[in-house]
Amino acid sequence: AQSVTQLGSHVSVSEGALVLLRCNYSSSVPPYLFWYVQYPNQGLQLLLKYTSAATLVKGINGFEAEFKKSETSFHLTKPSAHMSDAAEYFCAVSGYGGATNKLIFGTGTLLAVQP
Amino acid sequence: GAGVSQSPRYKVTKRGQDVALRCDPISGHVSLYWYRQALGQGPEFLTYFNYEAQQDKSGLPNDRFSAERPEGSISTLTIQRTEQRDSAMYRCASSLVLDTQYFGPGTRLTVL
Repeated sequence: AQSVTQLGSHVSVSEGALVLLRCNYSSSVPPYLFWYVQYPNQGLQLLLKYTSAATLVKGINGFEAEFKKSETSFHLTKPSAHMSDAAEYFCAVSGYGGATNKLIFGTGTLLAVQP
Repeated sequence: GAGVSQSPRYKVTKRGQDVALRCDPISGHVSLYWYRQALGQGPEFLTYFNYEAQQDKSGLPNDRFSAERPEGSISTLTIQRTEQRDSAMYRCASSLVLDTQYFGPGTRLTVL
């Protein structure tokens, strides 16, 4: 069984500050891990993904995430927030090498960026 | 270079009516997924196709929900005898086999 927990349904940062969005996973098999972003009135867009290669994954728009097996975490970071980063962010897990890669999502974190 | 498209974007229906939601995947994508997203929640898996074959329907909540993909491209998710609890955003995604899923804009269903 797989699950994802996102700590903090709402996070607010100042423009230029560090962004840290937390994600912990549970998986009985080696996981694939994903971060998706949802802008208002748009579909989910892939930010980055971990597929058992490098543990530090770089994505679009300056975001990156580090896979830490010992902590079962895959936190999303960005050194300096921009106003355009305001959106809802979802962490997701799927089974590595399984017959299906259906995604199990967390409940999301809404990021607000203050000027 | 078109992405995943879904129609209608918004659907308002009365309780007891049937609705059909359409998904047109990215050309060449073998796999197609349906998810449902309630307000304040993450998307929840419903069902999945490879080509025209429905591989996994374990997420369909009850027998009022069904999906098909008869020619291995466009898919339709049908909800019969809709209930207010069916109100949600329905999302479709497509991918190459066991690869990154690309999502459409979703269909917002409201059951009155």
